[in-house]
Amino acid sequence: DGGITQSPKYLFRKEGQNVTLSCEQNLNHDAMYWYRQDPGQGLRLIYYSQIVNDFQKGDIAEGYSVSREKKESFPLTVTSAQKNPTAFYLCASSPGLNTEAFFGQGTRLTVV
Amino acid sequence: GENVEQHPSTLSVQEGDSAVIKCTYSDSASNYFPWYKQELGKGPQLIIDIRSNVGEKKDQRIAVTLNKTAKHFSLHITETQPEDSAVYFCAAWGYQKVTFGIGTKLQVIP
Repeated sequence: DGGITQSPKYLFRKEGQNVTLSCEQNLNHDAMYWYRQDPGQGLRLIYYSQIVNDFQKGDIAEGYSVSREKKESFPLTVTSAQKNPTAFYLCASSPGLNTEAFFGQGTRLTVV
Repeated sequence: GENVEQHPSTLSVQEGDSAVIKCTYSDSASNYFPWYKQELGKGPQLIIDIRSNVGEKKDQRIAVTLNKTAKHFSLHITETQPEDSAVYFCAAWGYQKVTFGIGTKLQVIP
């Protein structure tokens, strides 16, 4: 089945530790995105990538980092510099600009 | 950059009634407007979309209208059912990326 897979579904980390969230797609999409979702704030863009080996900061990139070494993979690292990392993180992909975005099922990160 | 405003933030309707969610956008160059439905604990899924060369699009009980002059678009759900209960997001494609509204939590009361 084609789709976009995020893992793990739930993640717990201690404060001060970096953590990496996985996102893989087999849809052959060029573009991939990371969003953060908090109650009452909708979806806020963290980073996006339109092509392999290239990515751009979104609206809330501080404290996060990404890589795009392969077309199908776009991992997100939440660093210790992110002041409030507990949130629901969504990865998405699309064939290109102005097209439907397909979302993964999300990763709920809790930092204690 | 693009700014998308969505209202209401919550909406309760009786089963069988209609529900309307409205969004406005700021970037006059935006030309693609998708709507997503998100069920609890899951990722959003596209339910309908519209491009700027079309004023209205319908898919069974769901319809979307677009007014480019006023820069607003709306989602209409008719004959609502309990399974329509979810959070709905509007979105607008601006320069290189899509911007989402804050979401509307729709509750359909049986």
